[in-house]
Amino acid sequence: AQSVTQLGSHVSVSEGALVLLRCNYSSSVPPYLFWYVQYPNQGLQLLLKYTSAATLVKGINGFEAEFKKSETSFHLTKPSAHMSDAAEYFCAVSRSSASKIIFGSGTRLSIRP
Amino acid sequence: DAGITQSPRHKVTETGTPVTLRCHQTENHRYMYWYRQDPGHGLRLIHYSYGVKDTDKGEVSDGYSVSRSKTEDFLLTLESATSSQTSVYFCAISGGQGLPKGTSGSGSYEQYFGPGTRLTVT
Repeated sequence: AQSVTQLGSHVSVSEGALVLLRCNYSSSVPPYLFWYVQYPNQGLQLLLKYTSAATLVKGINGFEAEFKKSETSFHLTKPSAHMSDAAEYFCAVSRSSASKIIFGSGTRLSIRP
Repeated sequence: DAGITQSPRHKVTETGTPVTLRCHQTENHRYMYWYRQDPGHGLRLIHYSYGVKDTDKGEVSDGYSVSRSKTEDFLLTLESATSSQTSVYFCAISGGQGLPKGTSGSGSYEQYFGPGTRLTVT
């Protein structure tokens, strides 16, 4: 069975500071991993995905994530937070192209001026 | 952006009434999904479809049914709405175009989401 754990339901950082959102997964097979972002009153938008190519994945809006098999982690980072990054972020895992995606419970990111 | 629309966008209904939500896509994607989103629970899969007339249950399917008579439309029905079904409902699509059933591999893995339907059951 697959599962995803996002550490911290709420993260607050100052504008210009490093953003780090944590995600750990459990999967019995090599996983496909995703990060999605959700702005208020909108649907989810794909930020980036890992599908067993490069372990460092670059996404939109300056975000990137690194797949670490030994740590079963897929943390999301951005070097310098911007006010527009305030949103909810979801980590997700799937085990095949045809499969369902299992979502984490989400982390709300707040940016302090 | 993938062409996905949901209707209605907002609905208030009374306990015990039937409700149907519609998801429409213009991308010819094979897979379609219905999720509900509730605080503290993230997204939970209700039902999904892997082709016309092919559907299966997700983790929270009780009280919901679905139908897919055309590639582009996926309907979610609450036969008799309850207050516990007050939620935001999202439709998603994935899988590229016209992959044969059971095919894995070169399809697109990620899901694209619609804008959501906010349903309130009073």
